[in-house]
Amino acid sequence: AQSVTQLGSHVSVSEGALVLLRCNYSSSVPPYLFWYVQYPNQGLQLLLKYTSAATLVKGINGFEAEFKKSETSFHLTKPSAHMSDAAEYFCAVSATGANNLFFGTGTRLTVIP
Amino acid sequence: EAQVTQNPRYLITVTGKKLTVTCSQNMNHEYMSWYRQDPGLGLRQIYYSMNVEVTDKGDVPEGYKVSRKEKRNFPLILESPSPNQTSLYFCASSYYTSGETQYFGPGTRLLVL
Repeated sequence: AQSVTQLGSHVSVSEGALVLLRCNYSSSVPPYLFWYVQYPNQGLQLLLKYTSAATLVKGINGFEAEFKKSETSFHLTKPSAHMSDAAEYFCAVSATGANNLFFGTGTRLTVIP
Repeated sequence: EAQVTQNPRYLITVTGKKLTVTCSQNMNHEYMSWYRQDPGLGLRQIYYSMNVEVTDKGDVPEGYKVSRKEKRNFPLILESPSPNQTSLYFCASSYYTSGETQYFGPGTRLLVL
């Protein structure tokens, strides 16, 4: 069974500081991994995804994530936070050969001016 | 513009009064899915459809019905809503290939009194 754990339901960073949002997955085989962002009162938008190509994945808005099989992790980072990054972030996993997404419980990012 | 649309965006109803939330996509996607989002629980899949006339249960199907008579539409039906179905609902669609990005609608906020 697929599952995702996001450590930290709330993360606060200062503007300009490093953003690190943690995601660990449980899967018997290398899965597909996704990060989605949800801005207030909006739907989910794809930030980036891992589909077994390069382990370091670059996404939109300066975000990137690294797939680490040995740690079963797919943490999301951004070198310098902007006020516009304040949102809720969801990590999700799907199995090879399937479309169904299993989401983590989300991390709300606050950026402090 | 490629998009997933949902209607209505906001709905207040009473226990037991049947309702339908519509979902439509214009990207010719085979796969469509419904999720509910609740605080602290992330997104959980209700039902999904791999193509016309092919639907299956997700993780939390109780109290919901779906149909897929046309490729572009995937309505969610609550035949007898209850207060525990108060939630934020998202429809999503994608091509039916492993690792494909799912595109989300703007969400429907439902309150059942």
